[in-house]
Amino acid sequence: GQQVMQIPQYQHVQEGEDFTTYCNSSTTLSNIQWYKQRPGGHPVFLIQLVKSGEVKKQKRLTFQFGEAKKNSSLHITATQTTDVGTYFCAGTGTASKLTFGTGTRLQVTL
Amino acid sequence: ETGVTQTPRHLVMGMTNKKSLKCEQHLGHNAMYWYKQSAKKPLELMFVYNFKEQTENNSVPSRFSPECPNSSHLFLHLHTLQPEDSALYLCASSPTGGSNQPQHFGDGTRLSIL
Repeated sequence: GQQVMQIPQYQHVQEGEDFTTYCNSSTTLSNIQWYKQRPGGHPVFLIQLVKSGEVKKQKRLTFQFGEAKKNSSLHITATQTTDVGTYFCAGTGTASKLTFGTGTRLQVTL
Repeated sequence: ETGVTQTPRHLVMGMTNKKSLKCEQHLGHNAMYWYKQSAKKPLELMFVYNFKEQTENNSVPSRFSPECPNSSHLFLHLHTLQPEDSALYLCASSPTGGSNQPQHFGDGTRLSIL
């Protein structure tokens, strides 16, 4: 079945440093979504990418969908303590099912 | 306030008990989902309902029994659970059941099986 892996599993940064998480699918995706889950909270939808090579920005967050539509990345510029949480990608493969990635847990310290 | 309310927030039960988890959404959506979230594992989709009809059962053991009486309510009936069923159970909704729809999650029920 479709697998969606994220790396790294965990990253610890100092406030102000940049952060990137990568999402890789075993199959071509028709779309990819990104979610953020704060500690003790629930996943919250951030954005959806649909087009090959698409790049979208939300303030300090930059989302990219790969040319082959099998990978995606989320980059945070100048992290803040409010960025703490686990970031999940979720992609739709050939079976038209949304599969969540393994997640990357981000810790930000002062 | 997420628009998706789950009760109870925490549940401790023995392996022989019967309990139910409840989910209610106030977003006017037509699709509802149950997910299981265990430590160090990806979110696992369990069931999908679209316009009250079950459209997906992701090989979930029969000790989990979903019920969707209308588009706003979703239940998960639990019976004879195992210790490995301890997890956070998340309910979500979306406008329709399409996989290109953003999903709105509730706060979850933290389930512990003794």
